[in-house]
Amino acid sequence: SYQLTQPPSVSVSPGQTATITCYGDTLPKQYAFWYQQKPGQAPILVIYKDAQRASGIPERFSGSSSGTTVTLTISGVQAEDEAAYYCQSADSSYTYVIFGAGTKLTVL
Amino acid sequence: QITLKESGPALVKPTQTLTLTCTFSGFSFSSPGVGVGWIRQPPGKALEWLGIIYWNDDRRYRPSLQNRVTITKDTSKNQVVLTMTNMDPVDTGTYYCAHRPPYYFDSSGYPFWDYWGQGTLVTVSS
Repeated sequence: SYQLTQPPSVSVSPGQTATITCYGDTLPKQYAFWYQQKPGQAPILVIYKDAQRASGIPERFSGSSSGTTVTLTISGVQAEDEAAYYCQSADSSYTYVIFGAGTKLTVL
Repeated sequence: QITLKESGPALVKPTQTLTLTCTFSGFSFSSPGVGVGWIRQPPGKALEWLGIIYWNDDRRYRPSLQNRVTITKDTSKNQVVLTMTNMDPVDTGTYYCAHRPPYYFDSSGYPFWDYWGQGTLVTVSS
């Protein structure tokens, strides 16, 4: 079945680098997108088309893709980055859109 | 400035039909590639895509919900409407509408969303 797999949680100390992965069999052929969601708030687009930073997103956020895995990297993590992060993709005909289960980033 | 806002009932009974309206500003469906999607989130759970309607009236739905979900647009009112029939308690959650940017932004029709509404909580209970 078409699915995206993310680690449930990632923890880092302030100033360190956080790496959040998203695995999917179709990712070599399809784009991935990343959203940040803080409690009680709507999601915010962070990365689009694997590695493009969305408007207003700090440069410490970056995206990359390698085969079946896409990665969201946050360099120099700040306390305000604590949130859930969701990857998203779609099939080739844009018929089926899927989100990963989300990764809770904790800033220690 | 693009904004979207969802409106509709906070409580529906099982088997009833849910109708949610997304009222937007700052964009129009006249731009090729523009779309509005609906995404929901059960309490404490992940995002789940429901469907999308594009500028040319092309619509795509989550396959498992295709028989229950309809999305329409009213360009004169700047509104998109989600209709979901036969509601069940498992449909409880926050429902979001969101904007897909025009082609000139990303050169694709890929479904993704750069602006989201604040969401509206819908509870299904008798």
